[in-house]
Amino acid sequence: KQEVTQIPAALSVPEGENLVLNCSFTDSAIYNLQWFRQDPGKGLTSLLLIQSSQREQTSGRLNASLDKSSGRSTLYIAASQPGDSATYLCAVEDMRAGANSKLTFGKGITLSVRP
Amino acid sequence: DGGITQSPKYLFRKEGQNVTLSCEQNLNHDAMYWYRQDPGQGLRLIYYSQIVNDFQKGDIAEGYSVSREKKESFPLTVTSAQKNPTAFYLCASTGWTAGAFFGQGTRLTVV
Repeated sequence: KQEVTQIPAALSVPEGENLVLNCSFTDSAIYNLQWFRQDPGKGLTSLLLIQSSQREQTSGRLNASLDKSSGRSTLYIAASQPGDSATYLCAVEDMRAGANSKLTFGKGITLSVRP
Repeated sequence: DGGITQSPKYLFRKEGQNVTLSCEQNLNHDAMYWYRQDPGQGLRLIYYSQIVNDFQKGDIAEGYSVSREKKESFPLTVTSAQKNPTAFYLCASTGWTAGAFFGQGTRLTVV
């Protein structure tokens, strides 16, 4: 059974810091890995999607990398801002028999960026 | 615009009552999912469906039921057998290359 772990559960940093959020998964047979942002009381917003054949994706101040062999992904946030405060979740979509897929989520990292 | 629509945004249930949460997508995605989220906890999978007329139990299916009669729709019924239904419910869908998309959630409260 796939398990996704995100540590630490919470993080507080001063504005302007560069951040690395980590995600690890136990089964490397994944179809893709996706990072999401969730604001309080809201749904999940997709930030970056990395297909299994890719190593990284970038969008603005965000960069996500994927190392399938070690079962790890990192989300890099450059020059953090108070508006980045949210919960960040990673999810893997597994490759299963018959090409059916299943999403498995980590519990998320709640980030607070202090002005 | 393509996306996932969940309704209602807020729902109140009386003790012993069944309620149904709606989830509709126009992304032409095959797979759809229902998750439950409690304060301070991660997402827990209730049910998922890979194709019309087929669905599988997730980790916490007891007290819930679903149907998948159309590709676009995956409603979730919270039955009276679910003893602690107060939570935030999220619906998602996935396509082959686009990753997962989420609705804005339904907050269910028992009154």
